[in-house]
Amino acid sequence: ETGVTQTPRHLVMGMTNKKSLKCEQHLGHNAMYWYKQSAKKPLELMFVYSLEERVENNSVPSRFSPECPNSSHLFLHLHTLQPEDSALYLCASSQDRGRIDTGELFFGEGSRLTVL
Amino acid sequence: QKEVEQNSGPLSVPEGAIASLNCTYSDRGSQSFFWYRQYSGKSPELIMFIYSNGDKEDGRFTAQLNKASQYVSLLIRDSQPSDSATYLCAVNGASKIIFGSGTRLSIRP
Repeated sequence: ETGVTQTPRHLVMGMTNKKSLKCEQHLGHNAMYWYKQSAKKPLELMFVYSLEERVENNSVPSRFSPECPNSSHLFLHLHTLQPEDSALYLCASSQDRGRIDTGELFFGEGSRLTVL
Repeated sequence: QKEVEQNSGPLSVPEGAIASLNCTYSDRGSQSFFWYRQYSGKSPELIMFIYSNGDKEDGRFTAQLNKASQYVSLLIRDSQPSDSATYLCAVNGASKIIFGSGTRLSIRP
């Protein structure tokens, strides 16, 4: 079993749809992250949750809505997306946000999103 | 100016040679520097981190840091085909990790 699991692995949606991405970590970590990875662009940090509290919202459009019900689960709710939102969405976790200086982020396999 | 810059490549290196990957960063206050490896279709994984000026060695990998010049590099000795991947440089800044766009490395047999 991988440490960080993301579902679905692939998602195709229309601009008027509402869908959600799910992330679950089995590492006992208490910080979780959403990153966006587009072709030839750096990984973009979207949201950070530490102890279920959102501590970072990196100027992400409101059509992306995160939810962290507990320290093991993280969701990204999607609605009225645009074609330019098509990308790989990566979830990551770390031991605690105070350890972020070690850079030990553990990534899931990602959810490949295509918006038509 | 990009916060973390890398040459996108591809960098092609013959098997057994040394692969040299470079990265520059803009925030002089950065304290921690990381190299992640990402195989095609897979997620990034941390392979090296370095905090102090100089070299840090781990097996075939050596990370080099020069804070005065604001660059960090990764050397891979005795390159193997399995080293073919995209290498992401990352720097801590304002309590978050900032990534470069990555360098694609190809090891040719």
